[in-house]
Amino acid sequence: DTAVSQTPKYLVTQMGNDKSIKCEQNLGHDTMYWYKQDSKKFLKIMFSYNNKELIINETVPNRFSPKSPDKAHLNLHINSLELGDSAVYFCASSALAETQYFGPGTRLLVL
Amino acid sequence: GENVEQHPSTLSVQEGDSAVIKCTYSDSASNYFPWYKQELGKRPQLIIDIRSNVGEKKDQRIAVTLNKTAKHFSLHITETQPEDSAVYFCAASIMANAGKSTFGDGTTLTVKP
Repeated sequence: DTAVSQTPKYLVTQMGNDKSIKCEQNLGHDTMYWYKQDSKKFLKIMFSYNNKELIINETVPNRFSPKSPDKAHLNLHINSLELGDSAVYFCASSALAETQYFGPGTRLLVL
Repeated sequence: GENVEQHPSTLSVQEGDSAVIKCTYSDSASNYFPWYKQELGKRPQLIIDIRSNVGEKKDQRIAVTLNKTAKHFSLHITETQPEDSAVYFCAASIMANAGKSTFGDGTTLTVKP
């Protein structure tokens, strides 16, 4: 069984479009995260949620809006996509601030 | 907030040699220090972790040491193999502070056969 899953795995879209990435975990964790990893390989935290409550909201354009409908899901909606949004987006989950389990990543390419 | 610095950013070793990656952290309250390995095109995965009540932990060819006084911890890989080639990330957190973990910038390790 997949512990942390993301859909879609690949996303190719035009500038200006709106897209969503979904994440689900079946580990019973209370905390979920979104990270952006660009070509320089840095893992940049974007958001974290604990029990559906926003904990971290780093300096991210407000075109990015997370939504946690329940503890097992954390989705990411991106409005008005820009070229610089091209990256790999990882979802992760953990119990409190312990070991993080990452999803397979969503490779976003904005043309 | 917590700040984690990781060095070196790249490391190249010959197969069979040892590799050491070092991280320093700023918040003395941090008590959980995991290391993640990310192979090319894959997701980061935990390889070893250490909690602040322990000074050293070993798992086969990998070990982690923690110096709480100096606020640094290190990853040691012995007898390196080509499959150890990957990006390694350290992180630091206070276990009870849900959602607040800080990652280092990563080290790209290349093991030459």
